[in-house]
This record gives sequence, structure tokens and C-alpha cells, in this order.
Amino acid sequence: SAVISQKPSRDICQRGTSLTIQCQVDSQVTMMFWYRQQPGQSLTLIATANQGSEATYESGFVIDKFPISRPNLTFSTLTVSNMSPEDSSIYLCSVAPQGYEQYFGPGTRLTVT
Amino acid sequence: DQQVKQNSPSLSVQEGRISILNCDYTNSMFDYFLWYKKYPAEGPTFLISISSIKDKNEDGRFTVFLNKSAKHLSLHIVPSQPGDSAVYFCAASGVSGTYKYIFGTGTRLKVLA
Repeated sequence: SAVISQKPSRDICQRGTSLTIQCQVDSQVTMMFWYRQQPGQSLTLIATANQGSEATYESGFVIDKFPISRPNLTFSTLTVSNMSPEDSSIYLCSVAPQGYEQYFGPGTRLTVT
Repeated sequence: DQQVKQNSPSLSVQEGRISILNCDYTNSMFDYFLWYKKYPAEGPTFLISISSIKDKNEDGRFTVFLNKSAKHLSLHIVPSQPGDSAVYFCAASGVSGTYKYIFGTGTRLKVLA
């Protein structure tokens, strides 16, 4: 397994601003994922962030809105840009240290006013 | 189109009895399945997985059953404990090598003492 931390744990932001979420893992992992959980909904994959390559975005998510950095094997950031109230969600990072099983961070609860 | 469905949004069970959580999927290409437990304000915690080459996997009080012909899997918790009260998500993957998962909408389990 892996121990994952995220910062911030929660934030309230004004529309039109941007927030960068950090994800730190206690071991080196190749594959890292970013998810969103909108209120009352399931987890939706935003993008896959592998170190050494550009992030791969899922349908409905674009780099301009959700830029991702993956500078090394233990860290990644997700930026939510030009926020609107529809971006109010829990944002989660996860890793797959040994393949199939994914382990999640505690999440960042974002509220956009 | 929801490819992974958990049709019961909630379930209540008496302590000590069996909890059965169900999950249906539509894509026959899915070949690996995970179950997660999520407490409020925490990230999902990995519980148990099953590969499509198996029809059962057991880990302590948790057993997952897979019926490929029916495209159905279930998680059995025996005996149920109050600490099991949480939201349970199933997730399915079928895109080989990417480890991308599609999550169900979750079932809220309440174990009554």
C-alpha cells in the first residue's frame, strides 16, 4: 500500500480564481491519478499523471482547466483554473504502486462561491 | 451511460448479520474489480479485489463474488460490525495496462448495534 497526503484538506474559493492541490506519496510510484467526486456522485477520473510524460485526460476534462504537474515519483499537483460553482467537489489523488489496486489520499474539499 | 451501477443507495443491517452489497456492470471487457469503503471526510479505502479469472475472493470478513455471465458482483461482509458503516463503492477496469477504473455510485451501509 502507500500513504498519501493532500493539501489543502479543504478550501473555499471565489469564482474566477484558481486553486492548486498538492499530493504527496510516501514511496516512489509511477502511476498517479486524479479524481473528482461531485456532491452525491461517484468518483470520476480526471487524468492519469505518470512521471516523465504528459498527463492523459479523460473525456470532458482538458489541460487548460485542470493542469497537472508530476515533477517526480512522489509528488503531483492538480490546478483547478478559473473556477465556477460547478467545480465544487472533492478532489482526490490516488496511486497504483503495484498495478491493479489503487490507494487514495484523504481528498480536498473545494467549495466555489 | 453508467457502466457500473450500484442500484441500492442504502442498506441497513443488524450487527452480527451478513451485509450483501451488489454491483452490476454493462461492459463485458471489464476484467478487474475493486471494492472500496469510504468514511465521511476521508478518501476511499481499498477493501478487496477480484480478477475476472476468478469467481470468488475472500479476505477475512470480506468476500467478493463475481458472476461474469450476469455481469454482477457482490461484496459480503460477515459478521457485520458497527464500524463497517460507510459508503461502499465498486470499481471496474477493462482497459489493459492503464489501470483506469470506472466507479459505481456507492451504497451507504448502516450497521445497527
